[in-house]
Amino acid sequence: DTEVTQTPKHLVMGMTNKKSLKCEQHMGHRAMYWYKQKAKKPPELMFVYSYEKLSINESVPSRFSPECPNSSLLNLHLHALQPEDSALYLCASSQDVRSPLFFGPGTRLTVL
Amino acid sequence: AQTVTQSQPEMSVQEAETVTLSCTYDTSESDYYLFWYKQPPSRQMILVIRQEAYKQQNATENRFSVNFQKAAKSFSLKISDSQLGDAAMYFCAYRSGAEGYGNKLVFGAGTILRVKS
Repeated sequence: DTEVTQTPKHLVMGMTNKKSLKCEQHMGHRAMYWYKQKAKKPPELMFVYSYEKLSINESVPSRFSPECPNSSLLNLHLHALQPEDSALYLCASSQDVRSPLFFGPGTRLTVL
Repeated sequence: AQTVTQSQPEMSVQEAETVTLSCTYDTSESDYYLFWYKQPPSRQMILVIRQEAYKQQNATENRFSVNFQKAAKSFSLKISDSQLGDAAMYFCAYRSGAEGYGNKLVFGAGTILRVKS
């Protein structure tokens, strides 16, 4: 199984909603990532969870919070988002911190 | 800090022909990895090819090959026998071999490749 899965594929939410994005991998990878991507731009790293340690891009607002329930799952909790947070959210995993990243299909998020 | 530059915002190629996408990078490190990712309209990011900096031999994957010039810090992607399914945004990416911040993947701005039939 060489796949990273993400749910949901699409999400529309209001600014007062609380929602979660889910990501799962069964490749035994030790590192998982959340990226945000705007149209026609490269992905921007938000969070890294590797070897049971969370690293945060300090420019990411606190309305985004990651959670890693176990080594194969990585969630992204969303609360009080703004319309500018509308984007494609990509999850990825890698064998270790030197290996290439394998990406999931993404969640297309729209904040109204 | 490492930077990756893709100087071609858009490229076009005729089906069955060959096209080369350019990428240059800036780093002071000796241990690093380079990648090309493809993102078709579906927006799934797909690994195309990888190159370890310590390897002198250029990587190849079927119709995809790279020209890795370490001294010039250049990492171009050649696509041979282009197919309609190759149409996508292509990102060049750099990853440090050192520990720290999860070894962040640094992306270039991307090149949109259009394939004409």
